Amino acid sequence: AQSVTQLDSQVPVFEEAPVELRCNYSSSVSVYLFWYVQYPNQGLQLLLKYLSGSTLVESINGFEAEFNKSQTSFHLRKPSVHISDTAEYFCAVSEVSGNTDKLIFGTGTRLQVFP
Amino acid sequence: DAGVTQSPTHLIKTRGQHVTLRCSPISGHKSVSWYQQVLGQGPQFIFQYYEKEERGRGNFPDRFSARQFPNYSSELNVNALLLGDSALYLCASSPTSVYEQFFGPGTRLTVL
Repeated sequence: AQSVTQLDSQVPVFEEAPVELRCNYSSSVSVYLFWYVQYPNQGLQLLLKYLSGSTLVESINGFEAEFNKSQTSFHLRKPSVHISDTAEYFCAVSEVSGNTDKLIFGTGTRLQVFP
Repeated sequence: DAGVTQSPTHLIKTRGQHVTLRCSPISGHKSVSWYQQVLGQGPQFIFQYYEKEERGRGNFPDRFSARQFPNYSSELNVNALLLGDSALYLCASSPTSVYEQFFGPGTRLTVL
């Protein structure tokens, strides 16, 4: 079974500073990778995904993530954060078994942006 | 277009009771999945349904059951509630696969 590790449970950062949220996954076979964001008292919103092709994927609000197969990583980065980026971020990997396809999530990283 | 909707938004039950949570997928989506998110943890897969058939089940006891209706909406049922069932229950829909999975706002269940 696949697993996802988010090493940092909390990441405090000042506004306009760069940030990196780390994610490692366990599978050595082809994978599909996702980052979801969860604002307080809300569901999950897809931030970006890697399915195939370019290893660098970008979101519309300035986040990017790079798929690194050799290091089994999919770290999320933003060069300059805003107060509004404060949220919980979840890395996920797809797992397909028989007729089932599901998402395996990490434990989340809470990004706290300070003014 | 409306997104995934879930009802109710909040629910308080006592131990031993039964609960039914409801989910309406995005129009045209035939697959519905349920996840449990305990406070401070990532979501855990409970069930996936596609075209009204169960496609997969996570590591949850038989007290958890679900079904999907002809209009692709879904219900999650939990019997004999335990304190540990307190969580945010998320429903996600997709056209066919996990590659385009969209989540609802969730139902927060509190078991006293």
